[in-house]
Amino acid sequence: IAGITQAPTSQILAAGRRMTLRCTQDMRHNAMYWYRQDLGLGLRLIHYSNTAGTTGKGEVPDGYSVSRANTDDFPLTLASAVPSQTSVYFCASSLLRDSGELFFGEGSRLTVL
Amino acid sequence: DAKTTQPPSMDCAEGRAANLPCNHSTISGNEYVYWYRQIHSQGPQYIIHGLKNNETNEMASLIITEDRKSSTLILPHATLRDTAVYYCIVRVEAGNMLTFGGGTRLMVKP
Repeated sequence: IAGITQAPTSQILAAGRRMTLRCTQDMRHNAMYWYRQDLGLGLRLIHYSNTAGTTGKGEVPDGYSVSRANTDDFPLTLASAVPSQTSVYFCASSLLRDSGELFFGEGSRLTVL
Repeated sequence: DAKTTQPPSMDCAEGRAANLPCNHSTISGNEYVYWYRQIHSQGPQYIIHGLKNNETNEMASLIITEDRKSSTLILPHATLRDTAVYYCIVRVEAGNMLTFGGGTRLMVKP
């Protein structure tokens, strides 16, 4: 059972470098999401996509970009990483945009030095 | 979406029922109550949700008060593997945002 697959599991990155976190789902879910989780701040929505070809901004979108070229993939790109982007990133999906039942990946731990 | 209040932590003895409360006194008529949990270092996991009727599935039961201002998640026979942070979330059905608060850290003890 795959569900949601995130890569890499963890990464250490120099500030200023470009980084893409990958997310793939095999459930044919329409909606996908990227969250970041920081100690004391909980999970915060970065970007989302209701369906292939569309994206939207969440609570903390600055410094991040996403694309949704097909149903399965939803990569998150940091164009020029900064230390404040050190976090654990979770990708999630739901069958429909209106569904509150999200399936989460195992997370990508990113450290920006 | 309405704000929720949960105790920061709770303990439960293994094999006993774990009752996790959530206050959502400003909930609107079209907002659902969702529960998720996050086991250490893993992604959050959906547990259950409801609007006004009590709900039960293979993982838990959700009891929502008649005025809908509070709810309780019940794990009927807690195991050590139920140790996790439990999040109560109130959300409009058509909304995109799931807003996670601080949650309740449940520690199941032998």
